[in-house]
Amino acid sequence: DIVMTQTPLSLSVTPGQPASISCKCSQSPLHSDGKTYLFWYLQKPGQSPQLLIDEVSSRLSAVPDRFSGSGSGTDFTLKISRVEAEDVGVYYCMQGLHPRTFGQGTKVEIK
Amino acid sequence: QVQLQESGPGLVKPSQTLSLTCTVSGGSISGGGYYWSWIRQHPGKGLEWIGYISYSGSTYYNPSLESRVTISLDTSKNQFSLNLNSVTAADTAVYYCVRDYKRRFDYWGQGTLVSVSS
Repeated sequence: DIVMTQTPLSLSVTPGQPASISCKCSQSPLHSDGKTYLFWYLQKPGQSPQLLIDEVSSRLSAVPDRFSGSGSGTDFTLKISRVEAEDVGVYYCMQGLHPRTFGQGTKVEIK
Repeated sequence: QVQLQESGPGLVKPSQTLSLTCTVSGGSISGGGYYWSWIRQHPGKGLEWIGYISYSGSTYYNPSLESRVTISLDTSKNQFSLNLNSVTAADTAVYYCVRDYKRRFDYWGQGTLVSVSS
């Protein structure tokens, strides 16, 4: 199984300040089809997780442009350029090879 | 808009079988090349993928649970189901049914808490 390690596990951010979450994979989530199946999800308090970033860096249409994903190989990053109150929750990276695995989650709160 | 809704007992006794059903609305379960997954979240913990069933009925299970899991499809009811046998307290979790499209989970149910206790 691919082990996903996120850092930090928690983050307290002043509104308007940036935030960054790292996700390191024990193996690359690069598939033989040439695509890298690395995704980012946000689980807001009391809700189901929602997909934010598709295939490393593609932001879903409803996701604000302050969110961005990057990386390659085994190292990936989610950045929030200016954190807002609505961004609180737990962020998970996930890889789409078999079996699917998630990072431990990074809890983001507002100072 | 696709919607998924889990249903089933909220309490299961140790050694028995946990059975959940997911009803899909807003789209056909057997079309579109979609896969249908179950994911669980232990209280206050992270996410664990249990397995999926494809639109054609093929399955893939997480090796960590494979010996106890069965996922099935009922296209006539637009539902898919999870059976997890020989449960213990360690299987207490919120269980989510999820649409799995091209390896990403794009639609999630609201989740249902299943407790294992005598």
